[in-house]
Amino acid sequence: EVQLVESGGGLVQPGRSLKLSCAASGFTFSDYYMAWVRQAPTKGLEWVASISYDGGSTYYRDSVKGRFTISRDNAKSSLYLQMDSLRSEDTATYYCTTDPLWGQGTLVTVSS
Amino acid sequence: DIQMTQSPSSLPASLGDRVTITCRASQDIGNYLRWFQQKPGKSPRLMIYGATNLANGVPSRFSGSRSGSDYSLTINSLESEDMAIYYCLQHNEYPFTFGSGTKLEIK
Repeated sequence: EVQLVESGGGLVQPGRSLKLSCAASGFTFSDYYMAWVRQAPTKGLEWVASISYDGGSTYYRDSVKGRFTISRDNAKSSLYLQMDSLRSEDTATYYCTTDPLWGQGTLVTVSS
Repeated sequence: DIQMTQSPSSLPASLGDRVTITCRASQDIGNYLRWFQQKPGKSPRLMIYGATNLANGVPSRFSGSRSGSDYSLTINSLESEDMAIYYCLQHNEYPFTFGSGTKLEIK
């Protein structure tokens, strides 16, 4: 089955770190750019970061530059998002995606 | 950054209506425009890519069009399953940017 499955979300204190994972299956993962998109509670969609086929190129929105790191392991068909120095405004459901595929999302809550 | 101005934010409509949602790009994005549908508690679903191309499995009552910097999603003969929030996305250049969303609801 073609799918993306995120994991790693949870409750974390401001300033702490969290690493999200996304497991891909049913397609040739290394053939696709991948991205993370987030959605704060009751808010709209927001692109966070993208990564090229081999991980050689990465792109971030300004508000996460220097704090978040997107990476991939093509041998494991997995995408990651290392999130450091988390802020309350990072609270959101994080989706792993390569259109038209989207995961189910994983909720990250940043709160003391 | 490219701004995507989406309108309206809310669209009350009746079943069987024809409705149109529009996104205006602040800079040239060519046809690098996608439309997504999102229902409560669900992940977004790709509806239109390349501004005018219907994604796999999307009913033919959906269509996308472009006029200059204005991009539109039209739904002909609205059905109850179409009630959702719709977002546009420009992916011409980073940072990619979404429109603010249009909530389509039954009048």
